[in-house]
Amino acid sequence: GDSVTQMEGPVTLSEEAFLTINCTYTATGYPSLFWYVQYPGEGLQLLLKATKADDKGSNKGFEATYRKETTSFHLEKGSVQVSDSAVYFCARGGTSYGKLTFGQGTILTVHP
Amino acid sequence: DTAVSQTPKYLVTQMGNDKSIKCEQNLGHDTMYWYKQDSKKFLKIMFSYNNKELIINETVPNRFSPKSPDKAHLNLHINSLELGDSAVYFCASSPAQGLNQPQHFGDGTRLSIL
Repeated sequence: GDSVTQMEGPVTLSEEAFLTINCTYTATGYPSLFWYVQYPGEGLQLLLKATKADDKGSNKGFEATYRKETTSFHLEKGSVQVSDSAVYFCARGGTSYGKLTFGQGTILTVHP
Repeated sequence: DTAVSQTPKYLVTQMGNDKSIKCEQNLGHDTMYWYKQDSKKFLKIMFSYNNKELIINETVPNRFSPKSPDKAHLNLHINSLELGDSAVYFCASSPAQGLNQPQHFGDGTRLSIL
């Protein structure tokens, strides 16, 4: 079935470090791909999305490119801030009924 | 002007009790969802309704019964609560069933079973 695999966390970085969180997905169909962010005590918020191969989603300095050849959608940010500390979820659209399949989430902590 | 609102935010109760969680969205969306997030942050879909009709039921015990009185509301009733039901439950909505639609989430209901 559909699945999404994210890099294991937690990830701990210093402020202004470069961030990469890896995400790969199963290649059935032509899913849209999403990154969601969950700040402490809150629900998930859409961070960025890409709907077809080679699309780049970007928001708040974060970027991810839909790579069909490697079935990947890695999240990157050039310079993280303490306020980026959160849980990040990669997700793929389903083949029916708008179902999203989420990765296991990656906890990011950024220290000053 | 909260888009997806859930009540209550916290729910602490005893094993064996019955409880309900309510969800409302004011986005005019057709599709609503319930997710369960465990202590390791893993998210799993439980149910989805499109315009008051059940379209996804992901092998959830029948102690869990969703109800959608109209397309803006999706409530979750849980009978005979068990320790393993302790989790954060998220409601979400999306404009339609299409593959490219992002979902909008509520802030969650933190359920603790004593």
